[in-house]
Amino acid sequence: KQEVTQIPAALSVPEGENLVLNCSFTDSAIYNLQWFRQDPGKGLTSLLLIQSSQREQTSGRLNASLDKSSGRSTLYIAASQPGDSATYLCAVRSSGSARQLTFGSGTQLTVLP
Amino acid sequence: GAVVSQHPSRVICKSGTSVKIECRSLDFQATTMFWYRQFPKQSLMLMATSNEGSKATYEQGVEKDKFLINHASLTLSTLTVTSAHPEDSSFYICSARDGTSGGAGYEQFFGPGTRLTVL
Repeated sequence: KQEVTQIPAALSVPEGENLVLNCSFTDSAIYNLQWFRQDPGKGLTSLLLIQSSQREQTSGRLNASLDKSSGRSTLYIAASQPGDSATYLCAVRSSGSARQLTFGSGTQLTVLP
Repeated sequence: GAVVSQHPSRVICKSGTSVKIECRSLDFQATTMFWYRQFPKQSLMLMATSNEGSKATYEQGVEKDKFLINHASLTLSTLTVTSAHPEDSSFYICSARDGTSGGAGYEQFFGPGTRLTVL
């Protein structure tokens, strides 16, 4: 059974800092990996999706990397802003026929002005 | 981008009553829809997967008679929490997968969630 772990559980940084969020998964047989953002009491916003054959994806100040063999992904946020404060969830899609999505428990990010 | 809506966004009900939550894909056909629940400060846990016109597949530990799922059309799925109790209070999120985007990574699009509070 796939297990997804995110470290740290919470992170507080001053505005302007670059930061890295970590995600690890136990079963490397994945179809793709997705990073989401969740604001308090809200649904999920997809940030980046990395296919299993890809090493990284970039969108604006966000860069996500994937090392499938070691079961790790990182989300790099450059020049953080208070508006980046949210919970960031990593989710891994299995390569089995069900293509099920397994979520990590998230990293709660606070960017201080 | 693909949009998924949920209604209501928030509901408060008395113990013993039933509550229906709707999930709609607004600009695409969702052959598969997913229902998740999320407890405070925890991640999303998949409750069930439904394919249009078929019975839902429930995850282990989820009571199918308590959480009734109907996916009668390609744009609508409903979750009915029957005889709700305080322990059913949670944040329920639906997700839909575009049936035409299998080659694009099976991407799921998520609704804004429904906060259920059972008194």
